[in-house]
Amino acid sequence: RKEVEQDPGPFNVPEGATVAFNCTYSNSASQSFFWYRQDCRKEPKLLMSVYSSGNEDGRFTAQLNRASQYISLLIRDSKLSDSATYLCVVNYNFNKFYFGSGTKLNVKP
Amino acid sequence: NAGVTQTPKFQVLKTGQSMTLQCAQDMNHNSMYWYRQDPGMGLRLIYYSASEGTTDKGEVPNGYNVSRLNKREFSLRLESAAPSQTSVYFCASSEYEEPQHFGDGTRLSIL
Repeated sequence: RKEVEQDPGPFNVPEGATVAFNCTYSNSASQSFFWYRQDCRKEPKLLMSVYSSGNEDGRFTAQLNRASQYISLLIRDSKLSDSATYLCVVNYNFNKFYFGSGTKLNVKP
Repeated sequence: NAGVTQTPKFQVLKTGQSMTLQCAQDMNHNSMYWYRQDPGMGLRLIYYSASEGTTDKGEVPNGYNVSRLNKREFSLRLESAAPSQTSVYFCASSEYEEPQHFGDGTRLSIL
């Protein structure tokens, strides 16, 4: 079983739509959680950390459910520029990071 | 703010040639990592260094060696390049459980 699993998509949505991605992780000892964004053939860039209480950054909301071992990312009012691959990342034991394979989002005009 | 710097950005090698990919970070991070990403695939960890003086194998270490030269620098060496090693290579650094920061990658083609 993979450490981190994501639906690869693609999710094809119109501009202005709300879209949500989930990610499940297998290690209950995981300590920290992140969403990264990766544009085609570019380096992954941190989108946001995910906190137990949930957190919001503009149109983006991330939530963590430790009991069910999943994290989610909600994007409201999708923009064309949101088209990218979204990577779920889980950390445990300080320097061990596990990346999901990514969920591809296409926002259409 | 340079962050994580990788050199070179592009390289073409012939099968059997060797080369070293360089990575340097200026954030005083203890941990550094090398990943490869093949087209349409996720990141795969090659090697990592939890701290200066230590290195450990990741998921796909065969055909690679690494050196943690000092706290700032972590190099990846291909001793005898093979076409299967054609990929994009990313270096990253982090501090404990804080998020990783990535360099902008080395695009390596082996003919």
